[in-house]
Amino acid sequence: QSALTQPPSASGSPGQSVTISCTGTSNDVGGYDYVSWYQQHPGKAPKVMIYEVSKRPSGVPDRFSGSKSGNTASLTVSGLQAEDEADYYCSSYAGSNNVFGTGTKVTVL
Amino acid sequence: QVQLRESGPGLVKPSETLSLTCTVSGGSISSYYWSWIRQPPGEGLEWIGYIYYSGNTNYNPSLKSRVTISIDTSKNQFSLKLSSVTAADTAMYYCARSVGYGGNVVDPWGQGTLVTVPS
Repeated sequence: QSALTQPPSASGSPGQSVTISCTGTSNDVGGYDYVSWYQQHPGKAPKVMIYEVSKRPSGVPDRFSGSKSGNTASLTVSGLQAEDEADYYCSSYAGSNNVFGTGTKVTVL
Repeated sequence: QVQLRESGPGLVKPSETLSLTCTVSGGSISSYYWSWIRQPPGEGLEWIGYIYYSGNTNYNPSLKSRVTISIDTSKNQFSLKLSSVTAADTAMYYCARSVGYGGNVVDPWGQGTLVTVPS
C-alpha cells in the first residue's frame, strides 16, 4: 500500500486559514469515510484532531475542520495560532489496513 | 483515562529480532484494537499493524512477513516482534489504541520508544 500524498509544507499568518490536502485512491480515501488527521509537535506523539472525515474529538478547537471530495481529503485550520505550528498527517482506512499520509509541516509566519 | 507505555531494548543488532511490549493502564485491554506504528527519524508515520482484543491480527503488507503482534489480557499488555531487522528499521516505535471501523482512529498514543539498528 502506498502512503497518501500530502504537500510537504504549508504556512499562514496568525488569524489566517491554511488548508492541507491528502490524496489517495478509490481503495482508501475515496472508498471510505474513514479519514483521520493527526497533529504532531516536535518530540511528541501524534494527537487525533479529526476522525471520520469531519468529526472533532472532545477538546479539539472548532478551528479545525475536515472534508472530503472524491479521492482527496482536506484539513482546514482557521484562525491560525502559534500553537498550531506542527506536522500534520492524514490517515485512511484501506480495506483491512490503514495507511498514513506523507505529512505536512505547517508554519505560522 | 487510558495510558500506554512502550518498553524494550533501545538497540538491536542487524538480523536479530526487535521485541517491544506495550503496557496499558487506566482501562482494560479486553476491547478495541491495539496498534503499533513507527516513525523513522525525520520521516513520516508508518502503520505496522494491530491486534484485536480477541487475538485477530492485521499487518502492513510490506512488513507482514517479519511482524508478529500478540496480546496478554491477563497482564494488560500487547507486544511487537519484528524479525531480521536492518538499519532501515531504526525508528521511534509507538503503541496505541485504535478505535472505530477497522481500527482506523488511533487514540491515545504511547510516548514512543526509539529503537536503533546500527548499520
